[in-house]
Amino acid sequence: GAVVSQHPSWVICKSGTSVKIECRSLDFQATTMFWYRQFPKQSLMLMATSNEGSKATYEQGVEKDKFLINHASLTLSTLTVTSAHPEDSSFYICSASGVGAPYEQYFGPGTRLTVT
Amino acid sequence: GENVEQHPSTLSVQEGDSAVIKCTYSDSASNYFPWYKQELGKRPQLIIDIRSNVGEKKDQRIAVTLNKTAKHFSLHITETQPEDSAVYFCARGGYNKLIFGAGTRLAVHP
Repeated sequence: GAVVSQHPSWVICKSGTSVKIECRSLDFQATTMFWYRQFPKQSLMLMATSNEGSKATYEQGVEKDKFLINHASLTLSTLTVTSAHPEDSSFYICSASGVGAPYEQYFGPGTRLTVT
Repeated sequence: GENVEQHPSTLSVQEGDSAVIKCTYSDSASNYFPWYKQELGKRPQLIIDIRSNVGEKKDQRIAVTLNKTAKHFSLHITETQPEDSAVYFCARGGYNKLIFGAGTRLAVHP
């Protein structure tokens, strides 16, 4: 149980375009979803936390107008990278919580974004 | 502050030896301390976790110890195997989010 999926697994886009990444909890209701970014050989950096039906809470230094997060249902959250630039190329990973013990997060497989 | 300090950044051991990774934190409100294993290009996988009301937890070859007074916790892997080679991340939980350490690249040589 507690499976999280992400789509797409990888995407290549041109500079200036927007890309949407989906995160789904397949067998549980995710009251909270998290979005992380991971650059090569670095740690996971939390970008934002979203609760179903409310606005996301962004971490310091993350541009909320550039990284649009929507958590419209208990099983789906989306991250849209707007006007992508090469420096946005990264591994984006979502996680979800809502089952299990407090603070337990279940991670999606990640999406590798390459901006050319 | 929010950060979690993790050491060492790289660790190389011979198969069968033990490996120890340490993390320190400063936020006394932290009460959940998970450890994740991440292979290249894959999602982080939870391998063990500990909560603040417990000092030690063990699961086969993996153990975690927590010293809440000193604000540090450690991962211990015994009888290491080549398949243990990966990047290991500690994290601290509090305020409904996880903050990760910088990671330790563990290499187990046959």
